[in-house]
Amino acid sequence: EVQLEESGGGLVQPGGSLRLSCAASGFTFSNYWMNWVRQAPGKGLEWVAHINPAGSEESYVDSVKGRFTISRDNAKNSLYLQMDSLRVEDTAVYYCARDRDDAALPQHWGRGTLVTISS
Amino acid sequence: DIQMTQSPATLSASVGDRVAITCRASQYISTYLAWFQQKPGKAPKLLVYEASSLESGVPSRFSGSGSGTEFTLTISSLQPDDSATYYCQQYNTYWTFGQGTKVEVK
Repeated sequence: EVQLEESGGGLVQPGGSLRLSCAASGFTFSNYWMNWVRQAPGKGLEWVAHINPAGSEESYVDSVKGRFTISRDNAKNSLYLQMDSLRVEDTAVYYCARDRDDAALPQHWGRGTLVTISS
Repeated sequence: DIQMTQSPATLSASVGDRVAITCRASQYISTYLAWFQQKPGKAPKLLVYEASSLESGVPSRFSGSGSGTEFTLTISSLQPDDSATYYCQQYNTYWTFGQGTKVEVK
């Protein structure tokens, strides 16, 4: 069974940093593109970033470019999101998501971790 | 960037009703369109991919149609468990989600 478990969320002041982790199990992690998707309280879903299986190709939504960095450790079956220069508008539940086997869309999701940016 | 526009924003219908949610893409996306169901406090659940392919385990009362820029999610006979927010998502170029449609079952 595919399992994704996010951790690392919490309360941070504007301008601060946070590192999210996603522990994967139940599949061959090194074979899949991985993604971060976020959802602000009471709002819709927003794709944040993705990374290829080798960890050599990354893409980001414009609003986080230069502030967030996605990375992975295939030996540890783990995905990360380093978030710097955090803003109030980054407040959201952050989900880790795995692509389908045959298409680049999110088939499996974690339960999410809440990031709150507030002074 | 590709924008996704859903309508209606909210929908209230009775058990057994046939309901439809529409999604419009700001540019051509072929059939690179998925639909998700999300219940409060839970992660989204994939219902339909490639515009009309039903994900394994999803009840057959759900169906998707469309191509190009216009898409529809139909629930043929609404059930109490279908109360949720539904999102469309394009995966032609990166990912963009619609703003969501909240479905209430009377």
